[in-house]
Amino acid sequence: NAGVTQTPKFRVLKTGQSMTLLCAQDMNHEYMYWYRQDPGMGLRLIHYSVGEGTTAKGEVPDGYNVSRLKKQNFLLGLESAAPSQTSVYFCASSSPPRGTDTQYFGPGTRLTVL
Amino acid sequence: GIQVEQSPPDLILQEGANSTLRCNFSDSVNNLQWFHQNPWGQLINLFYIPSGTKQNGRLSATTVATERYSLLYISSSQTTDSGVYFCAVGLTGGGNKLTFGTGTQLKVEL
Repeated sequence: NAGVTQTPKFRVLKTGQSMTLLCAQDMNHEYMYWYRQDPGMGLRLIHYSVGEGTTAKGEVPDGYNVSRLKKQNFLLGLESAAPSQTSVYFCASSSPPRGTDTQYFGPGTRLTVL
Repeated sequence: GIQVEQSPPDLILQEGANSTLRCNFSDSVNNLQWFHQNPWGQLINLFYIPSGTKQNGRLSATTVATERYSLLYISSSQTTDSGVYFCAVGLTGGGNKLTFGTGTQLKVEL
């Protein structure tokens, strides 16, 4: 099993450009999450999903949109990138309600917005 | 929302030393996890421990939910233990969302 994978690993955008980050998991997990990590601030939840076709806002959702059209994929979109969105983005998945609450993380995407 | 405080913020150890990392949280939780972020950025789940004590090799963790804290013990530290240790808490149900602390940066030296 590959676990949780993220595409791309690195990306540089100019202010105002758009992009989509892809997260894929092969563990048949129900729940998926997008976090951002900024220096000295730990991880903050952007959006999450408790199942295919459902999404919900986390702690810092502004400027981002998400979609979960397939159970194994969770997409994070930036419609008009801003320098404040420069960060490392992590995707995670877990398997409640019938499985473990343990969250498994992907390797991260380092995004720079100029 | 729930506040999570970790201490110490930074720690330098000699290889072979033992250490204790602490996580305090401001509200009742029934989901608590410890993670290690290695120097290459990968986050690895160490423990899911909403209460009680667990051990995995040289690592062990204890959570006293009624007193709102958790401890992570590292024994006989190795250079590969270097990185950042995060505590994350939350409530099961409603998406199983986690709130992360700001981490303890650990460096183990030869």
